[in-house]
Amino acid sequence: GQNIDQPTEMTATEGAIVQINCTYQTSGFNGLFWYQQHAGEAPTFLSYNVLDGLEEKGRFSSFLSRSKGYSYLLLKELQMKDSASYLCAVRRLSGGSYIPTFGRGTSLIVHP
Amino acid sequence: EAGVTQSPTHLIKTRGQQATLRCSPISGHTSVYWYQQALGLGLQFLLWYDEGEERNRGNFPPRFSGRQFPNYSSELNVNALELEDSALYLCASSLPPEMDTQYFGPGTRLTVL
Repeated sequence: GQNIDQPTEMTATEGAIVQINCTYQTSGFNGLFWYQQHAGEAPTFLSYNVLDGLEEKGRFSSFLSRSKGYSYLLLKELQMKDSASYLCAVRRLSGGSYIPTFGRGTSLIVHP
Repeated sequence: EAGVTQSPTHLIKTRGQQATLRCSPISGHTSVYWYQQALGLGLQFLLWYDEGEERNRGNFPPRFSGRQFPNYSSELNVNALELEDSALYLCASSLPPEMDTQYFGPGTRLTVL
């Protein structure tokens, strides 16, 4: 079966660094996405990893280890506007094509 | 550039009725994906259309169906509505190849009474 695990909720202080972990068990793995979703809004793309290693994009970085079925999203210099849900999504092969499987999301609360 | 649009914003139906939700992708995108986001659950993949054809579907009953039109816009139809169908339905579009970065619309909030 397919399984994606992320913490339900995390809290952090403005200006700090936070790491959101995602572990997955899936067949036909072909990449991992991170999305940000503010309350009442649509998800927006943050990052995509298909090879092992770290991808850095401004204050956000994403890491992938395929052998361990593990990824994390690292947010630096946290701002209040970073309070949102962070969704981990695995791209996997099913029925001859690639489809997405999302985790339940991690709700990040940034406080002053 | 206009983003993904969805209509209606909110939809209220009663159990047993049918609901039709609409989505217009970003210009130039040929793939449209539909997701269900129920309270407390993650996004559940429903359907994927590309070039007018259904390419894949998630683990949902056949009463969830849809289609994609020649202009790449799409409809999601939900027949014989049940209370548990109440959720936010999100549409996303992307360029091919499949599951390239997806751009999401604002969603349709379906409430089944």
